[in-house]
Amino acid sequence: AQSVTQPDIHITVSEGASLELRCNYSYGATPYLFWYVQSPGQGLQLLLKYFSGDTLVQGIKGFEAEFKRSQSSFNLRKPSVHWSDAAEYFCAVSGIKAAGNKLTFGGGTRVLVKP
Amino acid sequence: KAGVTQTPRYLIKTRGQQVTLSCSPISGHRSVSWYQQTPGQGLQFLFEYFSETQRNKGNFPGRFSGRQFSNSRSEMNVSTLELGDSALYLCASSFASGVQETQYFGPGTRLLVL
Repeated sequence: AQSVTQPDIHITVSEGASLELRCNYSYGATPYLFWYVQSPGQGLQLLLKYFSGDTLVQGIKGFEAEFKRSQSSFNLRKPSVHWSDAAEYFCAVSGIKAAGNKLTFGGGTRVLVKP
Repeated sequence: KAGVTQTPRYLIKTRGQQVTLSCSPISGHRSVSWYQQTPGQGLQFLFEYFSETQRNKGNFPGRFSGRQFSNSRSEMNVSTLELGDSALYLCASSFASGVQETQYFGPGTRLLVL
């Protein structure tokens, strides 16, 4: 069965500092990976996705993520954090072909930005 | 293009009642998926509808059901509400059904069961 682990429940970072959020997945075939962000009281917004090809993917809001098959990881990074980046971030993997559009999510990482 | 819309945004019900939530997908999208988000269990997949057919179902009791109409709009119904059904219910739409489809989420319906 597929699973996603986000080891860090909370991360506090100073504004202007770099940010890295960890994501590890367990999946027996080629994973299709996503990062979503959720601001308080809001739905999920897609930051970026990896299907194939270049293992470093660029997303919106200055985020990027690197797929490392050997480490089963898909970590999210941002070089310089803005106060508006305070939110909860979710890593997700989509299922095998027969499972259609089912996304399996990690538990999320809540990011707090200090001024 | 308008995003995914969900109605109502907030709902308060009492135990034993039933509730119906509505989701309108992005124009042109034919797949609608539903997710439940709770502090304890996180984000969990409920079911997916594509072309008016349930294509996939998560591990939820039969009290949770859904349907999709010919215009791709979807409704989710929860019967005999329990306190544990209090959650944010998120709807997501995609153009088609498949592992490489990107799902776009609505703002959610927050359900409180008293």
